[in-house]
Amino acid sequence: GEDVEQSLFLSVREGDSSVINCTYTDSSSTYLYWYKQEPGAGLQLLTYIFSNMDMKQDQRLTVLLNKKDKHLSLRIADTQTGDSAIYFCAALWGGYNKLIFGAGTRLAVHP
Amino acid sequence: EPEVTQTPSHQVTQMGQEVILRCVPISNHLYFYWYRQILGQKVEFLVSFYNNEISEKSEIFDDQFSVERPDGSNFTLKIRSTKLEDSAMYFCASTRGQANTEAFFGQGTRLTVV
Repeated sequence: GEDVEQSLFLSVREGDSSVINCTYTDSSSTYLYWYKQEPGAGLQLLTYIFSNMDMKQDQRLTVLLNKKDKHLSLRIADTQTGDSAIYFCAALWGGYNKLIFGAGTRLAVHP
Repeated sequence: EPEVTQTPSHQVTQMGQEVILRCVPISNHLYFYWYRQILGQKVEFLVSFYNNEISEKSEIFDDQFSVERPDGSNFTLKIRSTKLEDSAMYFCASTRGQANTEAFFGQGTRLTVV
């Protein structure tokens, strides 16, 4: 079945760029997502990318997709302390019926 | 902005008891989902629901679990005879259509079985 893997922890300095990486196994995943989870909160959809795209930019967020390597990344420019959260990569699978999530990357932003 | 609402935010129950987790999906959405996240683990798909029936369920979603849309607005997850390992955060989500790509999640219900 589909599997999604992420590194578990990333620490960056405020103002720097953060890059969170993700790999997935099912090349038929049509959409790939990034969700943000702040402490005690739910899953907030940040952005998503369709599999026929290589890149998508939305303000400070840039998503890069390498379909050949099944690699997805999320770049956050000018990272702020408010960006500290867990970021989940997810792949749409099973005929649009479900999302397969990675374990989440905890982003810590320090001064 | 429309949102998915879940109640309660935290539920504590004794092992063996039944619990019902409630969700109000976004009003014009047609597909509904339950996911769970055991502490420190991945968010896992449980079940999807459309047109008053289950469209897909995972191996986790056994006879202990059931879902229902009792009226035009609520979507519930019932867990019968809860076990300690059912302790988790349960998330409800909804989408406008099957091919709609934006799944909106609720804030979650933290279930603690003691």
